[in-house]
Amino acid sequence: KQEVTQIPAALSVPEGENLVLNCSFTDSAIYNLQWFRQDPGKGLTSLLLIQSSQREQTSGRLNASLDKSSGRSTLYIAASQPGDSATYLCAVRQEEYGNKLVFGAGTILRVKS
Amino acid sequence: NAGVTQTPKFQVLKTGQSMTLQCAQDMNHEYMSWYRQDPGMGLRLIHYSVGAGITDQGEVPNGYNVSRSTTEDFPLRLLSAAPSQTSVYFCASSYSYRGSYEQYFGPGTRLTVT
Repeated sequence: KQEVTQIPAALSVPEGENLVLNCSFTDSAIYNLQWFRQDPGKGLTSLLLIQSSQREQTSGRLNASLDKSSGRSTLYIAASQPGDSATYLCAVRQEEYGNKLVFGAGTILRVKS
Repeated sequence: NAGVTQTPKFQVLKTGQSMTLQCAQDMNHEYMSWYRQDPGMGLRLIHYSVGAGITDQGEVPNGYNVSRSTTEDFPLRLLSAAPSQTSVYFCASSYSYRGSYEQYFGPGTRLTVT
């Protein structure tokens, strides 16, 4: 059974710092990995999607990497801002249950001004 | 495009009551799913659909029914609400583009069962 773990569970950093969020998964037979952002009381916003054949994806200050063989992904946020404060979720897509996403529990990020 | 919309945003039910959570998408996505989010547990799949007229169970389907009569709509029915169904419910849709299946989520419905 696929399990997704995110470390750390919570992170507090001063504004301007570069930071890395970690995601690991137990079954490397994935189709893709998706990073989401969730603001309190809100839905999920897709940040980046990495196909299993890709190594990384970039969008603005965000860079996500994928090492499928070792079961790891990282989300790098450059020059963090208070507006980046949110919960960040990673999820892997499995063929089981037709396009099912298996989610980690998330990392709660607080960027202090 | 409005994307994925869900109604209601909040709902309080008494144990044993039934209700339907509505979900609609205007992106012509073939895949739609329902997840529930509980504290510290991430999101878990309840039911999903790969197209109109086709539905199947996810990880935690007990106590819920779904139907997919159109591409746009995917309602989730709670047959007899229980306190264990207190959660935040998210509907998602996705499409197959070169195998990507990027998922788009609605804003969620917060359900409390007393």
